[in-house]
Amino acid sequence: RKEVEQDPGPFNVPEGATVAFNCTYSNSASQSFFWYRQDCRKEPKLLMSVYSSGNEDGRFTAQLNRASQYISLLIRDSKLSDSATYLCVVNTNAGKSTFGDGTTLTVKP
Amino acid sequence: DADVTQTPRNRITKTGKRIMLECSQTKGHDRMYWYRQDPGLGLRLIYYSFDVKDINKGEISDGYSVSRQAQAKFSLSLESAIPNQTALYFCATSDRDYQPLNEQFFGPGTRLTVL
Repeated sequence: RKEVEQDPGPFNVPEGATVAFNCTYSNSASQSFFWYRQDCRKEPKLLMSVYSSGNEDGRFTAQLNRASQYISLLIRDSKLSDSATYLCVVNTNAGKSTFGDGTTLTVKP
Repeated sequence: DADVTQTPRNRITKTGKRIMLECSQTKGHDRMYWYRQDPGLGLRLIYYSFDVKDINKGEISDGYSVSRQAQAKFSLSLESAIPNQTALYFCATSDRDYQPLNEQFFGPGTRLTVL
């Protein structure tokens, strides 16, 4: 079993749709959690950190459930520019990051 | 100018050749990482370094070696390249002082093809 698992998709949605991505992790000692965005095999870039209380940044909402070891990302009012691969990343306190394989999103007109 | 740079950006080589990929950063971060990415997969950690005198193996270090020449430079070597090392390689940095948040900043990647 992989340490970080994501639904690979692809997710194909129309503009304006709401889409949710899920991620589970196996290491209960994990300390911090992120969603990164990766475009067309370019470098990953941080989209947002994920906090236990949940956090929102514009159209993006991230949730963390430590008890279930589950992370989610919700995108509302999808834009064409949201098309990308979204990587779930989990860090241990030792500073190492484990990446999920990514979920691919295509937003269509 | 980019904060994390990688050279070369693309490289085609033959089986058995020695290859070095270089990474430089101007962010002043202590921590540096090398990852590889294969199609349809996430990033897998090859080696990481938390300071100049610290080198650690990641999950897929076999066939690779690294050198941390200075705080700002971290090189990855393939001593004898083989075709299954064909991949996209990323260097990344992070700031020790923001642990455990550990946001990583990535270079643009090196696309390596081993024939």
